[in-house]
Amino acid sequence: GQQLNQSPQSMFIQEGEDVSMNCTSSSIFNTWLWYKQEPGEGPVLLIALYKAGELTSNGRLTAQFGITRKDSFLNISASIPSDVGIYFCAGRAFFGNEKLTFGTGTRLTIIP
Amino acid sequence: GAVVSQHPSRVICKSGTSVKIECRSLDFQATTMFWYRQFPKKSLMLMATSNEGSKATYEQGVEKDKFLINHASLTLSTLTVTSAHPEDSSFYICSANEGSYTEAFFGQGTRLTVV
Repeated sequence: GQQLNQSPQSMFIQEGEDVSMNCTSSSIFNTWLWYKQEPGEGPVLLIALYKAGELTSNGRLTAQFGITRKDSFLNISASIPSDVGIYFCAGRAFFGNEKLTFGTGTRLTIIP
Repeated sequence: GAVVSQHPSRVICKSGTSVKIECRSLDFQATTMFWYRQFPKKSLMLMATSNEGSKATYEQGVEKDKFLINHASLTLSTLTVTSAHPEDSSFYICSANEGSYTEAFFGQGTRLTVV
């Protein structure tokens, strides 16, 4: 099935550093969602974006819906050990279809 | 956020047997639920869309007779892996939307191991 291009694939950072990851698509999306998944668990929703240009924060997390509707980024500021996990973007292509397309994931590892 | 509960979290079964996985929306009604499969270190791949009161819609390449989906109520969808084989071993995850075109909430996932 279709997948979004997510980068980077993995990140190794020091505690306290900021993190940035993004997703791009060749087609337009009307909704962007960012999830975090820990081993053996289902994804947990972090941020939902519904409008082009929208910038939304959730604590230390900030995400933006790209103006072109073909991309989104997620930033994590001042990383802490519990930020470790795999982050996925997900997009909904058009109204009338509830299906989500998932990014390839970014694995975040924090070095103490 | 809304709560989606998936059961069991882990199951081990013998080849040739069938396994049923339940997905429940605990505090909201979901006319549509989704079933995903995830391989180790890979992303989520949509298997099918479960529609309350009607037949599920399967993604290309997913065997309908192998993965039976029933969505008999607004809070429960089930996925039955029939005649399971070792290659069916995987992490299966369901999701449900609290409202139309809103964020999707995921269950905890089910680790299926077929021996």
